[in-house]
Amino acid sequence: DTAVSQTPKYLVTQMGNDKSIKCEQNLGHDTMYWYKQDSKKFLKIMFSYNNKELIINETVPNRFSPKSPDKAHLNLHINSLELGDSAVYFCASSQATGEAQPQHFGDGTRLSIL
Amino acid sequence: GQNIDQPTEMTATEGAIVQINCTYQTSGFNGLFWYQQHAGEAPTFLSYNVLDGLEEKGRFSSFLSRSKGYSYLLLKELQMKDSASYLCAVRGYDAGNNRKLIWGLGTSLAVNP
Repeated sequence: DTAVSQTPKYLVTQMGNDKSIKCEQNLGHDTMYWYKQDSKKFLKIMFSYNNKELIINETVPNRFSPKSPDKAHLNLHINSLELGDSAVYFCASSQATGEAQPQHFGDGTRLSIL
Repeated sequence: GQNIDQPTEMTATEGAIVQINCTYQTSGFNGLFWYQQHAGEAPTFLSYNVLDGLEEKGRFSSFLSRSKGYSYLLLKELQMKDSASYLCAVRGYDAGNNRKLIWGLGTSLAVNP
């Protein structure tokens, strides 16, 4: 029944490792997003995909690489993890129409770098 | 530049009414959203305004004035469970003319008994 699901919920790893976070939505939405929310609670857009095509790529290190195999999935791979990458990463989706549509968020992945 | 301002923290009493303000300056305007985020959880959609005026949804109402770049979220009959962060987000356009949602930092509301 979960609309937007992301795994894992918690990720604890060492600096320098490579890790992936997966996201899937069963809402039939066309657009998916990755956000980073740091300790100050600021929600920062990282990437946005519309029908598997990248439409927003904010200024994030190229260690972060999104991959969308189909419009229901948007995964995030992170290379050479750094201490500053510790945050909560949220996946979200919305319907892409002319009118603004609300975004539906996953439960978040809490990434801690040791 | 693009900017959204909202108070960092607010405190209110159970049963009372509270108004959370949001002012914005964005490139273009295509709607304003309010989201609620409880500690340790994901943001959830509360309301959407694209035309001037008040939208009411049960205990929650949201108001928009596009000419003033201003919105507020009104919460009535406050309950303890309303203690959360309230995020204002405006849909504008980025430098590449792509629609983009610009988020405020959120207002942390504490409801006391």
